[in-house]
Amino acid sequence: AQSVTQPDIHITVSEGASLELRCNYSYGATPYLFWYVQSPGQGLQLLLKYFSGDTLVQGIKGFEAEFKRSQSSFNLRKPSVHWSDAAEYFCAGLTGANNLFFGTGTRLTVIP
Amino acid sequence: DSGVTQTPKHLITATGQRVTLRCSPRSGDLSVYWYQQSLDQGLQFLIQYYNGEERAKGNILERFSAQQFPDLHSELNLSSLELGDSALYFCASSPGTSPKDTQYFGPGTRLTVL
Repeated sequence: AQSVTQPDIHITVSEGASLELRCNYSYGATPYLFWYVQSPGQGLQLLLKYFSGDTLVQGIKGFEAEFKRSQSSFNLRKPSVHWSDAAEYFCAGLTGANNLFFGTGTRLTVIP
Repeated sequence: DSGVTQTPKHLITATGQRVTLRCSPRSGDLSVYWYQQSLDQGLQFLIQYYNGEERAKGNILERFSAQQFPDLHSELNLSSLELGDSALYFCASSPGTSPKDTQYFGPGTRLTVL
């Protein structure tokens, strides 16, 4: 069955430090993968998506993700974290019926 | 602001009751999706409508139903509510049914069942 796994429930980083959030996928075919962010009390906002082609995907707010087929990973990165990046981050895939299935999320805390 | 609106923002009700959640998609979007976010189940897909027709079903309970109206707004009806139905319910919309269509999420309706 298709699935995405986020192994880290909670990550704490210092403001200005680099960030990497992990996502592993299990997919039969070419995966469609996404990263969404959920700020406290807000809905989900799409950061970036991967369908095919270039394995390094640029997103909004300075985020990027790299698709690595050999490692079944789609990790989210940011070179320098801002306090406003504190939120919950969800990796997601797409079913054949074009519905999203989500990982369990990683909560990011940013300390000054 | 995603352009997707959901009402009400919060809903508190009792077990056994029935509630209706409303969603207005972004202007021009024909697809509407409903998702549930709970502590137990995480974020999971419930049901999708496209231009008034049901297109896909996920982990939606029989006590739950939805519809999409001619003006494209959608309603999610939850009946015989149980404590475990307490969750955040999100609506999302997209232009069509292509996998490359971005799904835009509303702010959600927080349902509390007492």
